[in-house]
Amino acid sequence: ETGVTQTPRHLVMGMTNKKSLKCEQHLGHNAMYWYKQSAKKPLELMFVYSLEERVENNSVPSRFSPECPNSSHLFLHLHTLQPEDSALYLCASSQDWQGGPGANVLTFGAGSRLTVL
Amino acid sequence: AQSVAQPEDQVKVAEGNPLTVKCTYSVSGNPYLFWYVQYPNRGLQFLLKYITGDNLVKGSYGFEAEFNKSQTSFHLKKPSALVSDSALYFCAVRDDNYGQNFVFGPGTRLSVLP
Repeated sequence: ETGVTQTPRHLVMGMTNKKSLKCEQHLGHNAMYWYKQSAKKPLELMFVYSLEERVENNSVPSRFSPECPNSSHLFLHLHTLQPEDSALYLCASSQDWQGGPGANVLTFGAGSRLTVL
Repeated sequence: AQSVAQPEDQVKVAEGNPLTVKCTYSVSGNPYLFWYVQYPNRGLQFLLKYITGDNLVKGSYGFEAEFNKSQTSFHLKKPSALVSDSALYFCAVRDDNYGQNFVFGPGTRLSVLP
């Protein structure tokens, strides 16, 4: 669809579960992002990885744990979540901002809709 | 710190009429400005960006936006709206002093009425 694939598309979990969201990009980008989209709120940047190194961590609770094993894959590990964590979690990728005309453009996946019961 | 405002939660226009979706921003350095569109159950799709150069930027699907530095605005426009343009529109800014933190506005829901 957009070169950025997110799985699963929908996830329902209890507060004591552990689950993971997966993101894969096929665009050769070297930066990847997790955003949270909640109803009636702006997109919230959670984490940024550039060249597999975490460069941004926006005061996200420790119950969210990112992992970037290589430049094509990004995970968000979830544990002991709260109902207010229910949201659409969007993964995005970009060419590093120093990287030419395609730089700075975020390409988003379709999102993983998370419901915490 | 950087911020983005989209003063209208919702914009309604008739098909064939021009549309404008407003965006104002605040940054400390030079702004990189973007518009994205989100259709139901989809991620955001890039429409256009302003980095440097011409203040009028043309993008996908006939959209354009004008960068106005004195008014710190980057309004999205289209001369003739289509029903298929109905979606959620997000303005975003990246401050070149702040690395890769893209800050998004709250979104404006555009409804184009047949």
